[in-house]
Amino acid sequence: GQQLNQSPQSMFIQEGEDVSMNCTSSSIFNTWLWYKQDPGEGPVLLIALYKAGELTSNGRLTAQFGTTRKDSFLNISASIPSDVGIYFCAGQLGAGANNLFFGTGTRLTVIP
Amino acid sequence: EPEVTQTPSHQVTQMGQEVILRCVPISNHLYFYWYRQILGQKVEFLVSFYNNEISEKSEIFDDQFSVERPDGSNFTLKIRSTKLEDSAMYFCASTYRGRNTEAFFGQGTRLTVV
Repeated sequence: GQQLNQSPQSMFIQEGEDVSMNCTSSSIFNTWLWYKQDPGEGPVLLIALYKAGELTSNGRLTAQFGTTRKDSFLNISASIPSDVGIYFCAGQLGAGANNLFFGTGTRLTVIP
Repeated sequence: EPEVTQTPSHQVTQMGQEVILRCVPISNHLYFYWYRQILGQKVEFLVSFYNNEISEKSEIFDDQFSVERPDGSNFTLKIRSTKLEDSAMYFCASTYRGRNTEAFFGQGTRLTVV
């Protein structure tokens, strides 16, 4: 299957700091999605990106669809304790393959 | 806000038993999916379903697995003879369109095979 690598694997940051994480793939995707997962819960959609180069914000979150269509990044500004969780990128190939391929995840810990 | 709901939230079953996991997708969505997440690992695609038939499936989705949409609202995943390695969180998701669209996930069913 498709491999999506996320970095960093885990982060410990101070409350109020900005966070940046990214996702790279060997394959081109037509859609990139970013999800947050809390323990024991399902992934919750944060941001969806549909065009190469697209930059989209959702409150303190900003994500970009890389121009090569093989990568994406997610930034969180002014982190707060409830940002704690695992962040997953997911790519969709499209063209008949509609399932999502998930990244390996970035575990974020925010220290108050 | 519409949401995907799954039942049960936790299922414990003996190895070799059949289990059925249930999902109610968002009502106007047309595409339905099952994903699996083994503890501490990433979410993996199992199967997608559209127009009352499977449209894609992964290598994980072998003959022990089946899906069904028995009525207009429920979408089920059946595992015929569970194995220890089937223990995982199982997530249902739905989308309005097949592509370029947002997938919404349920809260998951934790399956424990003993």
